[in-house]
Amino acid sequence: SYELTQPPSVSVSPGQTARITCSGDALPKQYAYWYQQKPGQAPVLVIYKDSERPSGIPERFSGSSSGTTVTLTISGVQAEDEADYYCQSADSSGTFWVFGGGTKLTVL
Amino acid sequence: QVQLVQSGSELKKPGASVKVSCKASGYTFTSYAMNWVRQAPGQGLEWMGWINTNTGNPTYAQGFTGRFVFSLDTSVSTAYLQISSLKAEDTAVYYCARDEGGDSSGWYDYWGQGTLVTVSS
Repeated sequence: SYELTQPPSVSVSPGQTARITCSGDALPKQYAYWYQQKPGQAPVLVIYKDSERPSGIPERFSGSSSGTTVTLTISGVQAEDEADYYCQSADSSGTFWVFGGGTKLTVL
Repeated sequence: QVQLVQSGSELKKPGASVKVSCKASGYTFTSYAMNWVRQAPGQGLEWMGWINTNTGNPTYAQGFTGRFVFSLDTSVSTAYLQISSLKAEDTAVYYCARDEGGDSSGWYDYWGQGTLVTVSS
Protein backbone atom coordinates (compact mmCIF):
# COMPACT_ATOMS: atom_id res chain seq x y z
CA SER A 1 0.00 0.00 0.00
CA TYR A 2 1.03 3.58 -0.60
CA GLU A 3 3.04 5.37 2.08
CA LEU A 4 4.07 8.93 2.86
CA THR A 5 7.24 9.38 4.89
CA GLN A 6 7.76 12.20 7.39
CA PRO A 7 10.51 12.74 9.96
CA PRO A 8 9.24 11.82 13.45
CA SER A 9 10.37 15.06 14.99
CA VAL A 10 11.66 18.54 14.22
CA SER A 11 12.91 21.02 16.81
CA VAL A 12 13.44 24.75 16.38
CA SER A 13 13.87 27.79 18.56
CA PRO A 14 11.26 30.55 18.56
CA GLY A 15 11.65 32.87 15.60
CA GLN A 16 13.50 30.32 13.51
CA THR A 17 12.22 28.52 10.43
CA ALA A 18 10.88 24.97 10.67
CA ARG A 19 10.77 22.74 7.63
CA ILE A 20 8.85 19.47 7.66
CA THR A 21 9.19 17.16 4.69
CA CYS A 22 6.90 14.48 3.33
CA SER A 23 8.00 12.01 0.66
CA GLY A 24 5.93 9.76 -1.56
CA ASP A 25 6.17 8.31 -5.03
CA ALA A 26 2.86 9.74 -6.23
CA LEU A 27 3.46 13.29 -5.01
CA PRO A 28 4.54 14.53 -8.45
CA LYS A 29 1.00 13.90 -9.68
CA GLN A 30 -1.13 14.24 -6.54
CA TYR A 31 -1.71 17.28 -4.38
CA ALA A 32 -0.59 17.27 -0.77
CA TYR A 33 -2.44 18.63 2.21
CA TRP A 34 -1.03 19.51 5.64
CA TYR A 35 -2.86 19.27 8.95
CA GLN A 36 -1.86 20.59 12.36
CA GLN A 37 -3.02 18.73 15.44
CA LYS A 38 -2.59 19.91 19.00
CA PRO A 39 -3.06 17.55 21.95
CA GLY A 40 -6.67 16.62 22.56
CA GLN A 41 -7.89 18.51 19.52
CA ALA A 42 -9.10 17.63 16.05
CA PRO A 43 -6.72 18.31 13.17
CA VAL A 44 -6.81 21.65 11.38
CA LEU A 45 -5.96 22.15 7.71
CA VAL A 46 -3.02 24.54 7.30
CA ILE A 47 -2.06 23.99 3.64
CA TYR A 48 -4.07 22.59 0.73
CA LYS A 49 -3.12 21.73 -2.85
CA ASP A 50 0.61 21.76 -2.01
CA SER A 51 0.95 25.47 -1.32
CA GLU A 52 -2.39 27.17 -0.77
CA ARG A 53 -3.22 28.57 2.64
CA PRO A 54 -6.80 28.48 3.97
CA SER A 55 -8.29 31.67 5.29
CA GLY A 56 -7.44 32.22 8.91
CA ILE A 57 -4.10 30.41 8.74
CA PRO A 58 -1.15 32.74 9.50
CA GLU A 59 1.09 33.75 6.62
CA ARG A 60 4.07 32.14 8.31
CA PHE A 61 2.73 28.79 7.13
CA SER A 62 3.68 27.91 3.55
CA GLY A 63 4.00 24.82 1.42
CA SER A 64 6.06 23.77 -1.56
CA SER A 65 6.55 20.78 -3.79
CA SER A 66 9.54 19.36 -5.62
CA GLY A 67 9.41 15.96 -7.25
CA THR A 68 8.52 13.27 -4.76
CA THR A 69 8.83 15.58 -1.75
CA VAL A 70 6.55 18.25 -0.37
CA THR A 71 7.59 20.60 2.39
CA LEU A 72 5.69 22.53 5.03
CA THR A 73 7.61 25.62 6.09
CA ILE A 74 6.81 27.63 9.19
CA SER A 75 8.69 30.91 9.23
CA GLY A 76 9.21 32.75 12.48
CA VAL A 77 8.01 29.82 14.56
CA GLN A 78 5.99 30.71 17.63
CA ALA A 79 5.39 28.68 20.77
CA GLU A 80 1.78 28.13 19.69
CA ASP A 81 2.99 26.26 16.60
CA GLU A 82 4.15 23.35 18.73
CA ALA A 83 2.00 20.48 17.49
CA ASP A 84 1.93 17.34 15.39
CA TYR A 85 1.86 17.92 11.65
CA TYR A 86 0.54 15.41 9.12
CA CYS A 87 0.81 15.42 5.37
CA GLN A 88 -1.89 13.72 3.33
CA SER A 89 -2.10 12.77 -0.29
CA ALA A 90 -3.59 10.20 -2.63
CA ASP A 91 -2.10 7.16 -4.29
CA SER A 92 -1.34 7.27 -8.00
CA SER A 93 -4.90 6.24 -8.88
CA GLY A 94 -6.33 9.10 -6.86
CA THR A 95 -8.75 6.70 -5.20
CA PHE A 96 -7.20 6.10 -1.83
CA TRP A 97 -5.82 8.66 0.56
CA VAL A 98 -3.10 8.25 3.12
CA PHE A 99 -1.63 10.30 5.93
CA GLY A 100 2.06 10.48 6.66
CA GLY A 101 3.19 9.20 10.02
CA GLY A 102 3.24 12.68 11.49
CA THR A 103 5.98 15.01 12.68
CA LYS A 104 6.13 16.40 16.17
CA LEU A 105 7.28 20.01 16.06
CA THR A 106 8.94 21.08 19.28
CA VAL A 107 9.57 24.76 19.92
CA LEU A 108 12.60 24.91 22.18
CA GLN B 1 -21.73 28.18 10.85
CA VAL B 2 -20.59 24.72 9.78
CA GLN B 3 -20.52 22.19 12.60
CA LEU B 4 -19.92 18.47 12.82
CA VAL B 5 -21.03 17.09 16.17
CA GLN B 6 -20.16 13.50 16.97
CA SER B 7 -21.71 11.16 19.47
CA GLY B 8 -20.14 10.57 22.86
CA SER B 9 -17.49 8.14 24.05
CA GLU B 10 -18.25 4.44 24.00
CA LEU B 11 -16.97 1.55 26.10
CA LYS B 12 -17.56 -1.81 24.47
CA LYS B 13 -16.59 -5.41 25.06
CA PRO B 14 -14.70 -7.39 22.45
CA GLY B 15 -17.06 -8.85 19.87
CA ALA B 16 -19.69 -6.15 20.33
CA SER B 17 -20.68 -3.50 17.80
CA VAL B 18 -20.67 0.27 17.95
CA LYS B 19 -22.25 3.00 15.84
CA VAL B 20 -20.73 6.47 15.86
CA SER B 21 -22.76 9.38 14.55
CA CYS B 22 -21.66 12.65 12.99
CA LYS B 23 -24.41 15.27 12.76
CA ALA B 24 -23.78 18.09 10.32
CA SER B 25 -25.28 21.56 10.41
CA GLY B 26 -24.77 24.91 8.77
CA TYR B 27 -24.53 23.64 5.18
CA THR B 28 -26.23 21.43 2.61
CA PHE B 29 -25.29 17.95 3.82
CA THR B 30 -25.52 16.23 0.45
CA SER B 31 -23.18 18.67 -1.28
CA TYR B 32 -20.02 17.62 0.55
CA ALA B 33 -18.42 14.21 0.94
CA MET B 34 -17.73 12.86 4.40
CA ASN B 35 -14.58 11.09 5.45
CA TRP B 36 -13.72 9.01 8.48
CA VAL B 37 -10.31 9.09 10.17
CA ARG B 38 -9.02 6.90 12.99
CA GLN B 39 -6.40 7.79 15.57
CA ALA B 40 -5.26 5.09 17.97
CA PRO B 41 -3.91 6.25 21.35
CA GLY B 42 -0.59 8.02 20.87
CA GLN B 43 -0.57 7.21 17.17
CA GLY B 44 -1.03 9.06 13.91
CA LEU B 45 -4.02 9.66 11.68
CA GLU B 46 -5.38 6.86 9.50
CA TRP B 47 -7.76 7.53 6.62
CA MET B 48 -10.55 4.97 6.83
CA GLY B 49 -12.44 6.01 3.72
CA TRP B 50 -15.26 8.25 2.63
CA ILE B 51 -18.90 8.28 1.67
CA ASN B 52 -20.55 10.19 -1.13
CA THR B 53 -23.37 11.97 0.70
CA ASN B 54 -25.29 12.43 -2.53
CA THR B 55 -25.31 8.81 -3.70
CA GLY B 56 -24.52 7.01 -0.44
CA ASN B 57 -21.67 5.16 -2.14
CA PRO B 58 -18.86 4.34 0.32
CA THR B 59 -15.17 3.77 -0.38
CA TYR B 60 -13.13 1.93 2.23
CA ALA B 61 -9.39 2.12 2.71
CA GLN B 62 -7.32 -1.02 2.86
CA GLY B 63 -7.65 -2.46 6.33
CA PHE B 64 -11.14 -1.09 6.82
CA THR B 65 -13.18 -3.49 4.78
CA GLY B 66 -15.57 -6.05 6.21
CA ARG B 67 -16.19 -4.88 9.78
CA PHE B 68 -16.55 -1.19 9.02
CA VAL B 69 -19.64 0.34 7.44
CA PHE B 70 -20.32 3.95 6.51
CA SER B 71 -23.94 5.03 6.20
CA LEU B 72 -26.11 8.12 6.05
CA ASP B 73 -29.43 9.48 7.14
CA THR B 74 -29.79 12.52 4.93
CA SER B 75 -33.13 13.43 6.54
CA VAL B 76 -31.21 14.41 9.68
CA SER B 77 -27.91 15.34 8.00
CA THR B 78 -26.04 12.62 9.81
CA ALA B 79 -23.27 10.25 8.80
CA TYR B 80 -22.61 7.03 10.67
CA LEU B 81 -19.68 4.72 11.22
CA GLN B 82 -20.53 1.23 12.41
CA ILE B 83 -17.87 -1.19 13.56
CA SER B 84 -18.77 -4.81 14.24
CA SER B 85 -16.91 -7.64 15.98
CA LEU B 86 -14.90 -5.10 17.94
CA LYS B 87 -11.32 -5.91 18.88
CA ALA B 88 -9.01 -4.32 21.40
CA GLU B 89 -7.02 -2.78 18.54
CA ASP B 90 -10.11 -0.83 17.45
CA THR B 91 -9.64 1.34 20.54
CA ALA B 92 -9.16 4.80 19.07
CA VAL B 93 -10.62 8.23 18.51
CA TYR B 94 -12.74 8.28 15.37
CA TYR B 95 -13.20 11.56 13.51
CA CYS B 96 -15.59 12.52 10.76
CA ALA B 97 -14.22 15.17 8.41
CA ARG B 98 -16.05 17.10 5.73
CA ASP B 99 -14.50 17.18 2.31
CA GLU B 100 -14.54 20.59 0.67
CA GLY B 101 -16.24 19.09 -2.37
CA GLY B 102 -18.75 16.45 -3.31
CA ASP B 103 -15.99 14.03 -4.14
CA SER B 104 -13.02 12.83 -2.11
CA SER B 105 -10.37 15.52 -2.48
CA GLY B 106 -8.21 15.26 0.62
CA TRP B 107 -9.19 18.78 1.57
CA TYR B 108 -10.93 18.43 4.92
CA ASP B 109 -12.15 21.83 5.97
CA TYR B 110 -14.26 20.85 8.98
CA TRP B 111 -13.80 18.07 11.49
CA GLY B 112 -15.95 16.59 14.21
CA GLN B 113 -14.66 16.69 17.76
CA GLY B 114 -13.85 12.99 17.71
CA THR B 115 -15.43 9.99 19.41
CA LEU B 116 -13.37 7.77 21.68
CA VAL B 117 -14.23 4.11 21.31
CA THR B 118 -12.66 1.89 23.96
CA VAL B 119 -12.78 -1.87 23.55
CA SER B 120 -12.04 -3.72 26.75
CA SER B 121 -13.30 -6.75 28.60
